[in-house]
Parts: sequence; structure tokens; C-alpha cells
Amino acid sequence: GNSVTQMEGPVTLSEEAFLTINCTYTATGYPSLFWYVQYPGEGLQLLLKATKADDKGSNKGFEATYRKETTSFHLEKGSVQVSDSAVYFCAPPAGGTSYGKLTFGQGTILTVHP
Amino acid sequence: DVKVTQSSRYLVKRTGEKVFLECVQDMDHENMFWYRQDPGLGLRLIYFSYDVKMKEKGDIPEGYSVSREKKERFSLILESASTNQTSMYLCASSFRGGSTEAFFGQGTRLTVV
Repeated sequence: GNSVTQMEGPVTLSEEAFLTINCTYTATGYPSLFWYVQYPGEGLQLLLKATKADDKGSNKGFEATYRKETTSFHLEKGSVQVSDSAVYFCAPPAGGTSYGKLTFGQGTILTVHP
Repeated sequence: DVKVTQSSRYLVKRTGEKVFLECVQDMDHENMFWYRQDPGLGLRLIYFSYDVKMKEKGDIPEGYSVSREKKERFSLILESASTNQTSMYLCASSFRGGSTEAFFGQGTRLTVV
């Protein structure tokens, strides 16, 4: 079935540092890929997505490019803020059935210090 | 706005009790999910439902059951709560198919004593 390998954390950065969180996937075909974010005390919410190969998803200064040649969807931000401290999940393409069963991995905990 | 509502933010139950966690969504989504989240273990799928009365086991279904009698409501049942079921429980919903995002509730922090 489809799966992802996500960079393990935790990641600790100073404010205005550059962020990369690696995510590689295995999938049949070229399904949509997603990054979700979970702020403290909340559920997950969609951060960005890319629906086809070579697409770039972006939101709140974060970007990720769907690269089929390297099967990667790395999350990047040029200058992180304290408010970006959260847990980030790369979601694998829904697999197993055509119904959209969605599984997640461990996530990456990001802490940004002033 | 899409809303996924979980009935409680915090619950404290005793060992051996039967516990019901309720989740309601208002977007007519076919899919609904129950996950538990534990430090260091990430988000693990307990059960998945792709239609009314239809369900599929996730990665950790032992000790849990689910009920989906109406499209908008998905219940997670702990038949006999145990302390190792103390966790954060998250409900989510989405349209059917692999290209749509999931929407999550705020989570229920369950403590079994």
C-alpha cells in the first residue's frame, strides 16, 4: 500500500531560521499529497497540498513541491516564527482501497525559540 | 466552514466502564475516521468508515468498536476501558477518494483511572 517516510524530530530552531522537513512517499500512480499541522491543544488541519506531479503547494509561507522523480514532498519555510511551533504530518496518499483511507506517521515536532 | 465536532474535550472514566466517544460532521462526507495520538507514536488509525454501517479496521482496533448508523455521526466505543486506553482521540472526515483533504475535530483527551 501507499506510505510515507517522514523526517523524525524533534526539530528545534531559532526564529528566522530556514526549515526543511523531509518526506518521501511510495504510491501507485500520482495521487494528491498533503501536509497537515497540529498546533498545541488542537486537532490537525490542512497546511498545504499538491494534486499532481510537479505541483507546488504553499500556505502561510510554507512550500512543498511534489517531485515524482525523487518521490518526495519536502516541507520548507524560509524564515520560521515562534508561532510555527507545532507538529507537522506528511500524509501518504490514501491507499488500500479507492475510498480514501488515510493513515499518518509519527509527525515531526517543531519548536521555534525567540 | 466544515465542522467536525467531538462531544467532549476531556473525559475521565473508570477501568471497566463502557465509554462512548461521539463525532459529528456537517459536510455530508462519506468517510469518517477515528485515530488515537500518543507521544512518540504519532497518529494511529483505529477504525475507518466509508459509508453508513460500513467500517474497516485500522492499525489498532483491539479493544474498540465503532458505530455509524447515520452519515453524519461516527461513534467510537471502548467496550471495557483500560488504563492503556488513556490517550488523545481524534475524529476526522473526508469525501470519498484519495484526493481530498480530511477535516479534524478538536480531540478528546480520555483518562482512564
